[in-house]
Amino acid sequence: KAGVTQTPRYLIKTRGQQVTLSCSPISGHRSVSWYQQTPGQGLQFLFEYFSETQRNKGNFPGRFSGRQFSNSRSEMNVSTLELGDSALYLCASSLGGQLSNEQFFGPGTRLTVL
Amino acid sequence: QQPVQSPQAVILREGEDAVINCSSSKALYSVHWYRQKHGEAPVFLMILLKGGEQKGHEKISASFNEKKQQSSLYLTASQLSYSGTYFCGTDQTGANNLFFGTGTRLTVIP
Repeated sequence: KAGVTQTPRYLIKTRGQQVTLSCSPISGHRSVSWYQQTPGQGLQFLFEYFSETQRNKGNFPGRFSGRQFSNSRSEMNVSTLELGDSALYLCASSLGGQLSNEQFFGPGTRLTVL
Repeated sequence: QQPVQSPQAVILREGEDAVINCSSSKALYSVHWYRQKHGEAPVFLMILLKGGEQKGHEKISASFNEKKQQSSLYLTASQLSYSGTYFCGTDQTGANNLFFGTGTRLTVIP
């Protein structure tokens, strides 16, 4: 079974630009969660999508948005990039549903904002 | 909502034991444990659901005290491969909305 894939793996952008990151979950998984990982703040929850609907949202500004497609693939968009957005962005997929279950993480996209 | 992990870092010799703690100020539905090696994605270790259960996985086990909203991860007879950063993730609703602690960096030396 193929794991979670994320593209691109590395990105360099400048302040003010926008970026779109992509995540393909494990086949059969309907839930995709996004996390931001930085040395200072650790792993922080951005949002979670299940069956094309945003089900949960973390405490991030509206510049961070996402969506999920009918095949469960998910994209995350960050507009008007700031230096502080430099981080490793991880997505994780799980079966979803109403029970807490294990999440499988992708390798991440390393975003650098100059 | 972020859980508190302790210790922040620990160094062990092969064969020694370690305990990593995770506590939350909120009522929890479940606690998840992950290990992340440098430059890699976090890897799932185990989930503990409310009800105060204990789980084991070879020489790594964990417990969840629902009354105290605390979980502990036990690593026995540590191996070099155990090195990495351990994160606990807490779920308050059962909807997989995880809040992670800041991590415990575990280093096992020969």
